[in-house]
Amino acid sequence: DAGVIQSPRHEVTEMGQEVTLRCKPISGHNSLFWYRQTMMRGLELLIYFNNNVPIDDSGMPEDRFSAKMPNASFSTLKIQPSEPRDSAVYFCASSRRLEGGEYEQYFGPGTRLTVT
Amino acid sequence: AQSVTQPDIHITVSEGASLELRCNYSYGATPYLFWYVQSPGQGLQLLLKYFSGDTLVQGIKGFEAEFKRSQSSFNLRKPSVHWSDAAEYFCAVGARGKLIFGQGTELSVKP
Repeated sequence: DAGVIQSPRHEVTEMGQEVTLRCKPISGHNSLFWYRQTMMRGLELLIYFNNNVPIDDSGMPEDRFSAKMPNASFSTLKIQPSEPRDSAVYFCASSRRLEGGEYEQYFGPGTRLTVT
Repeated sequence: AQSVTQPDIHITVSEGASLELRCNYSYGATPYLFWYVQSPGQGLQLLLKYFSGDTLVQGIKGFEAEFKRSQSSFNLRKPSVHWSDAAEYFCAVGARGKLIFGQGTELSVKP
């Protein structure tokens, strides 16, 4: 099992540019989550999908952020235009619901985004 | 509203000493509880989880945690800390498939 795969691992871009972060969840997992981690705000849930459908995007900071999940094995988080305050580590996680209603999330290694 | 509090931002222990990291939660129903560990520059790794049953749960790397409903706590313990345990530890409560995280406790280990 390859685990959750994220790309790129590091991204440096200039303010105003479009940034696209990518995530491949664990095969068989039907839920996918995007988080942002900063020193000031800790870990924040941005959006999550069940069966490729966005369920809760209340954590998306503003309209500059958008996320898609076109199929069960791929998701993107896009920032357009990017701003320096978007600099953070972005994590993707996936999970599946087990028979007893239990679940656990597995995290990817993260994408460190720096916007200059 | 659901919430998780980790009262200790930073803890330092000596190698070989015992460890307890505190976690308090607020949740209306029976909680699903988790501890994750994050090493520098890495993603979060699941240490252990509690869903039901025995209130003392065992995890990886020699960690255990005890669920105490009366205290709304889920403290993480390890009897003897190793230098490689230096990392940040996050407690989380599961709510309708989502995780709500505490602010984390950074653990430093003295030689």
